Amino acid sequence: DIQMTQSPSSLSASVGDRVTITCRASQSITTYLNWYQQTPGKAPKLLIYAASSLQSGVPSRFSGSGSGTDFTLTINSLQPEDFATYYCQQSYSTPITFGQGTRLEIK
Amino acid sequence: QVQLQESGPGLVKPSQTLSLTCTASGDSINIGGHYWNWVRQHPGKGLEWIAYISYSGRTYYNPSLKSRVTISVDPSQTQFSLKLTSVTAADTAVYYCARSFRYTSGLYAMDVWGQGTTVTVSS
Repeated sequence: DIQMTQSPSSLSASVGDRVTITCRASQSITTYLNWYQQTPGKAPKLLIYAASSLQSGVPSRFSGSGSGTDFTLTINSLQPEDFATYYCQQSYSTPITFGQGTRLEIK
Repeated sequence: QVQLQESGPGLVKPSQTLSLTCTASGDSINIGGHYWNWVRQHPGKGLEWIAYISYSGRTYYNPSLKSRVTISVDPSQTQFSLKLTSVTAADTAVYYCARSFRYTSGLYAMDVWGQGTTVTVSS
């Protein structure tokens, strides 16, 4: 199985800040990496697919980069609705695996 | 745009079989290029992929659950189902169904999710 490791596990930030979340795969997954946002009590929402492609309808302050084993999700100018938990997920091979999540909290 | 809705019992007794159905509205499941998934989330924990089924009926299971899981598509092509046998308290979770959309690059991503259904395993 491909292990996905996110860092940090949690972070605090303020509205207007820029934050970066990192995801590392245990082996190369090229760009078969997706990012999701989940708010409490809700289903996950796809933000970024193929490491850097913005899903339709997702604000442009979200961006992704990386390839191989190291990936980042960046959120520019944090908005109140961005405080949530973020997950990376590899679709390179089965079993599909997710990172453990990064909880983004308001400072 | 397809919408997904999970349904099934919220309470299952230990050792019994958990059965859930995901109903698609707005589109058929029988569309080439997509996979149909079950994902679960234990209370306060992360996401765990359980299984998916392709439009042609090919199935893929998480090895950690494979011996207990069956995923299938209803002949009506508007529903797909999950069966998890011999459940224990460790199977208590929110269960989501989700569509994996095939992007032009060949990558799949879960772009549509149901709202989730909470299943508790308890006597």
